[in-house]
Amino acid sequence: DAGITQSPRHKVTETGTPVTLRCHQTENHRYMYWYRQDPGHGLRLIHYSYGVKDTDKGEVSDGYSVSRSKTEDFLLTLESATSSQTSVYFCAISPNPTTNTEAFFGQGTRLTVV
Amino acid sequence: KQEVTQIPAALSVPEGENLVLNCSFTDSAIYNLQWFRQDPGKGLTSLLLIQSSQREQTSGRLNASLDKSSGRSTLYIAASQPGDSATYLCAVLNNAGNMLTFGGGTRLMVKP
Repeated sequence: DAGITQSPRHKVTETGTPVTLRCHQTENHRYMYWYRQDPGHGLRLIHYSYGVKDTDKGEVSDGYSVSRSKTEDFLLTLESATSSQTSVYFCAISPNPTTNTEAFFGQGTRLTVV
Repeated sequence: KQEVTQIPAALSVPEGENLVLNCSFTDSAIYNLQWFRQDPGKGLTSLLLIQSSQREQTSGRLNASLDKSSGRSTLYIAASQPGDSATYLCAVLNNAGNMLTFGGGTRLMVKP
């Protein structure tokens, strides 16, 4: 299995509080991604990173920010959590998407905003 | 905007059957297409990747085909087993290589 770890695995938080999810990889892959998975919507890209300090928005980036200060870590921050951000969050990594190698996914973080 | 659709949304078959899962996408300008498997409460596991220039890929009992011009891919599972029960997701990578767009998945149940 690819070395990719998400933390925490489960979190319950209150509306309006900031939340940070962490994705850690040991593969030295260049690209890292954050997705959310919701019933009826499938997996949607939030943000991605193509290198240290290089990030860009995905399809559903509003209300989220990211940071990548080291190759191995990609942080997703919910500035002020809302109930609509209750979801399962997945981190993914790939060396370079256009090398035609698979993307690897973490085990997910289940976030509940009450 | 790329849209990916998977049909059927759910499928239940007896053990031993051969089956086909379908995936269609609206924008044929893709770099590659990947099929993933997801077990309940787990992450995604990559099954097969087909480059845009390829027509098919095989891995064991799995065979995936790609018709880029018509925006279609199929995942063929031979001699299905109860252990194949899972949700199968297809995803297409755009030409820029920075966005993987997923279908809604097909939930497969193989009955013993």
